[in-house]
Amino acid sequence: EPEVTQTPSHQVTQMGQEVILRCVPISNHLYFYWYRQILGQKVEFLVSFYNNEISEKSEIFDDQFSVERPDGSNFTLKIRSTKLEDSAMYFCASSPPLAGVDEQYFGPGTRLTVT
Amino acid sequence: SQQGEEDPQALSIQEGENATMNCSYKTSINNLQWYRQNSGRGLVHLILIRSNEREKHSGRLRVTLDTSKKSSSLLITASRAADTASYFCAPLRGGFKTIFGAGTRLFVKA
Repeated sequence: EPEVTQTPSHQVTQMGQEVILRCVPISNHLYFYWYRQILGQKVEFLVSFYNNEISEKSEIFDDQFSVERPDGSNFTLKIRSTKLEDSAMYFCASSPPLAGVDEQYFGPGTRLTVT
Repeated sequence: SQQGEEDPQALSIQEGENATMNCSYKTSINNLQWYRQNSGRGLVHLILIRSNEREKHSGRLRVTLDTSKKSSSLLITASRAADTASYFCAPLRGGFKTIFGAGTRLFVKA
C-alpha cells in the first residue's frame, strides 16, 4: 500500500540554523499538509498546499516557515532560523484528488530537536 | 474543518478485553477517520468511514457512525498489549485542515 514517507526521521540542529524537512507524498495525491506535535501536546495544523500554493495556514506558520514542492515528488518544510520552541515532531500528510482534506494520510514524522 | 472530541481521555484494560472509544463532533461531516499514535511515533491511519455508512470493519476494529447524534465509536476486540497507544478521531468536511483533539490513551495490560 502506498505510504507517505519523511526524511530524516530525526534531525538535531542548533538554534538559529536553517532546517529543511522532506516529505514524499503518495504519488497521485494533490493536497499536501504539514502538522507538528510538541511533546505531550496535541497535533497542530501548520499549513496546507494545493496547486503549488498555500491554501491555508495557521498562526504558528509565520515568516520563519516556508513550504515548497520543488519537483513532482517532494514536499518540503523549511524553518529559516530555528528556535528552541520549534522542537517537535513534524508530520507531513497528503490527500488524493477530489478528496481534499476528506481523506488524509500521514507520514511517520520527523523529530526535530533544537539545541 | 472541525474538531473531534474523544472520550474517555484514558482507558486501561486487560489483554483480551474489548476497548471502546467514542468521538463526538459538532457539525455535519463528509467522512470521519480514526488514527492511532504510538508514543512518540507517527499517526497511523486505521479506518475511514463515510457519512453514508453506519458501520465498518477492519480486522479487529469496528467503527460505527451515527450522524444524527454526531458521534462515532471505535471498538477494538480481543485487545493486545501492542494496541497500547493514543487514538484520535478526525471528522472531516472539506476545508484544508484537520483539527485534532487530545485523543484517548489506551493502555492494555499483559
